[in-house]
Amino acid sequence: EPEVTQTPSHQVTQMGQEVILRCVPISNHLYFYWYRQILGQKVEFLVSFYNNEISEKSEIFDDQFSVERPDGSNFTLKIRSTKLEDSAMYFCASNRAGTANSPLHFGNGTRLTVT
Amino acid sequence: QKEVEQNSGPLSVPEGAIASLNCTYSDRVSQSFFWYRQYSGKSPELIMSIYSNGDKEDGRFTAQLNKASQYVSLLIRDSQPSDSATYLCAVNRINFNKFYFGSGTKLNVKP
Repeated sequence: EPEVTQTPSHQVTQMGQEVILRCVPISNHLYFYWYRQILGQKVEFLVSFYNNEISEKSEIFDDQFSVERPDGSNFTLKIRSTKLEDSAMYFCASNRAGTANSPLHFGNGTRLTVT
Repeated sequence: QKEVEQNSGPLSVPEGAIASLNCTYSDRVSQSFFWYRQYSGKSPELIMSIYSNGDKEDGRFTAQLNKASQYVSLLIRDSQPSDSATYLCAVNRINFNKFYFGSGTKLNVKP
């Protein structure tokens, strides 16, 4: 069964550094998402992406965040200058376009630790 | 007001019993409803989706939707210790590229 893959599984970085989290969505999916989950808290929406542009974003997704689809398979989340509070599990997800009744399929996540 | 609300639990049930998990949502235009299971340190895994009022059964799982009451539930029959996890309710609004998740209900199934 096709799956969403994320790399790396763990990333440790120092405050102020840039990080790029990578994702390969399911190949026939056209909507892509980033969610994050701070330890012990809920899964929070960051951004959705369709047709090479941001579809929606949350208030969390400020100017420090950006997303890109650099080629036909990868989908990346960049955090320009990491803060301690960016420490969380980041999940990439995808679903098919054209229907509201299309569940999200999640990758295994990248655990980001900012020190 | 929270978009999706769940009782955080923990909900403890003995092995073999029925576990009942509940979720309410605030936006009446919500169209699609999903239950995900999340083991500690892992990603959410889809269990069931439901789009119409009524019940939908899949093996030991039954999802129930009542749009008038803005209420979704998940029943797990013959609960197993391996069902011990956090169960997340997710709701998709009419602009369908933004899913809202509840905080999750932690389920403990005791052998």
